Amino acid sequence: GENVEQHPSTLSVQEGDSAVIKCTYSDSASNYFPWYKQELGKRPQLIIDIRSNVGEKKDQRIAVTLNKTAKHFSLHITETQPEDSAVYFCAASNTGNQFYFGTGTSLTVIP
Amino acid sequence: DSGVTQTPKHLITATGQRVTLRCSPRSGDLSVYWYQQSLDQGLQFLIQYYNGEERAKGNILERFSAQQFPDLHSELNLSSLELGDSALYFCASSLAGPNEQFFGPGTRLTVL
Repeated sequence: GENVEQHPSTLSVQEGDSAVIKCTYSDSASNYFPWYKQELGKRPQLIIDIRSNVGEKKDQRIAVTLNKTAKHFSLHITETQPEDSAVYFCAASNTGNQFYFGTGTSLTVIP
Repeated sequence: DSGVTQTPKHLITATGQRVTLRCSPRSGDLSVYWYQQSLDQGLQFLIQYYNGEERAKGNILERFSAQQFPDLHSELNLSSLELGDSALYFCASSLAGPNEQFFGPGTRLTVL
């Protein structure tokens, strides 16, 4: 089955700096890669996703890049703000019947 | 609000007991997923149903079972509960295929 690894597990950045979280996957059949943000005590919410026919996707301060050959994808957050502090999860899916989640990255943005 | 509802919000029970968690998906979503999230842990996929049929199984214990009813709501049954089953249980729903999952608010289960 699929194996998704996520790094780093914790990340602290100064407000205004950029944050990068990386994930690798093992199954070349995976074709959908969402990123979820989970604030303390709340439900995970999708912040951006990318499909395997696209190499990069951007939404304001958030971008995701996908390298199918190397089987890795990354989340980039620019101009970080304190409200970006949360746990971020990457995931991979093929058919949509099962999603394989990374172990999460706890991001702290220091004002 | 994601449109996915879960009941109850909190559940406190004793070891050896059995509980049922309920989930109603977003209108129009046929897929329902169940996840377990222990303290400071990631999301562990348990099981997925699509239009009433089981489609995928993850790390679900034999003491746990689930089903999806004709009205598409789903129930997760946890039996012979152990202390280690204490966790936040999320339900999520989505359209068919690999698409965004919408998570419910979760049920926090505490086993004493």
